[in-house]
Amino acid sequence: DAGITQSPRYKITETGRQVTLMCHQTWSHSYMFWYRQDLGHGLRLIYYSAAADITDKGEVPDGYVVSRSKTENFPLTLESATRSQTSVYFCASSESGGGTEAFFGQGTRLTVV
Amino acid sequence: EDKVVQSPLSLVVHEGDTVTLNCSYEVTNFRSLLWYKQEKKAPTFLFMLTSSGIEKKSGRLSSILDKKELFSILNITATQTGDSAIYLCAVEYYNTDKLIFGTGTRLQVFP
Repeated sequence: DAGITQSPRYKITETGRQVTLMCHQTWSHSYMFWYRQDLGHGLRLIYYSAAADITDKGEVPDGYVVSRSKTENFPLTLESATRSQTSVYFCASSESGGGTEAFFGQGTRLTVV
Repeated sequence: EDKVVQSPLSLVVHEGDTVTLNCSYEVTNFRSLLWYKQEKKAPTFLFMLTSSGIEKKSGRLSSILDKKELFSILNITATQTGDSAIYLCAVEYYNTDKLIFGTGTRLQVFP
């Protein structure tokens, strides 16, 4: 299916475990982003990527790792999950970094217990 | 089907103009409505609105929510070229933290 998809949609994990959230887009958009969304906050950028093999930190990168070996995939890894990382995570893609729409995935709700 | 509709899709104005961006929604279990500005690399958060009739203001930007008529407006007065961006509206669900985004309004401000 065309679009941007995230998986899993829901995940519960234990403190200290590694967990990877997947993001896949079918438009061959250059830019991809990971955000987290918490109650009382707007979207906060974790990492973004301008192209394959190019990634950069956003507002809140600590505790997260990303990679972009292929244009269509942008996985987000929590190396050692903490309770403060309980959040809803959104992946997005856009043709360019600004001036064009960003298309968002449906989100992954992650709970760290 | 739940949806968030923004209008206009695109807007071109001159510096100094005042603009009003619209966001209407049909969502079950509404909790809040959020506005974002997207320029350069990523959207940035502007406002979160949860109560009807209470204006949120930040500099030249202001926003208000009408939960009876199911819409929100974002006003920008005395526009500047730096206001050029895509403005995104999103609706947050109660109990799920799910967000539905509108497709955005592209604002271009020319000198």
